[in-house]
Amino acid sequence: DTAVSQTPKYLVTQMGNDKSIKCEQNLGHDTMYWYKQDSKKFLKIMFSYNNKELIINETVPNRFSPKSPDKAHLNLHINSLELGDSAVYFCASSQDILAGTYEQYFGPGTRLTVT
Amino acid sequence: DQQVKQNSPSLSVQEGRISILNCDYTNSMFDYFLWYKKYPAEGPTFLISISSIKDKNEDGRFTVFLNKSAKHLSLHIVPSQPGDSAVYFCAAILYDKVIFGPGTSLSVIP
Repeated sequence: DTAVSQTPKYLVTQMGNDKSIKCEQNLGHDTMYWYKQDSKKFLKIMFSYNNKELIINETVPNRFSPKSPDKAHLNLHINSLELGDSAVYFCASSQDILAGTYEQYFGPGTRLTVT
Repeated sequence: DQQVKQNSPSLSVQEGRISILNCDYTNSMFDYFLWYKKYPAEGPTFLISISSIKDKNEDGRFTVFLNKSAKHLSLHIVPSQPGDSAVYFCAAILYDKVIFGPGTSLSVIP
């Protein structure tokens, strides 16, 4: 009965590979997010989707491509992985940010290590 | 350029005492603020929030104060408990974007 789940929890891969991280929420929320927490522990928003539509796309390399097949899922695909992509990636959801409900529920994070 | 700052990377408090975590922001257009708590190897969890039209919001042991003129908010935890030991993130909302501060690591000493 996990609210926001992410798979995998750990991901170790080599430079140049392509990988995906999956996220699912069972809260019935309309808005989903991807955040990156870097080595300095800053949480920075990457993307936000509302009802499967992209609403926030921060300055993120286009090697990162989010995909929302339905409003309960927001997956993150990363092409040509680089060393600097090593970080913890968090998925989150909120009821409907466009309606002014801002409280976010976070997944447990995916620790990506690129070697 | 950090729009949301938490200038104390860490804080230690004795159990039973008050913990005060501070957050400063630069953009007067922020209209909503939130505090999150994060344990190691877990995602952040929502604690408490405050709208920019208020100056105080209380929920049990947690109270958030907002001083708009100083662009400053603080989270008070009274009384502090060992289970409160975690990293606390301040976050601000601008339109549809959430901007997080760098976090303050709180240690509550039994």
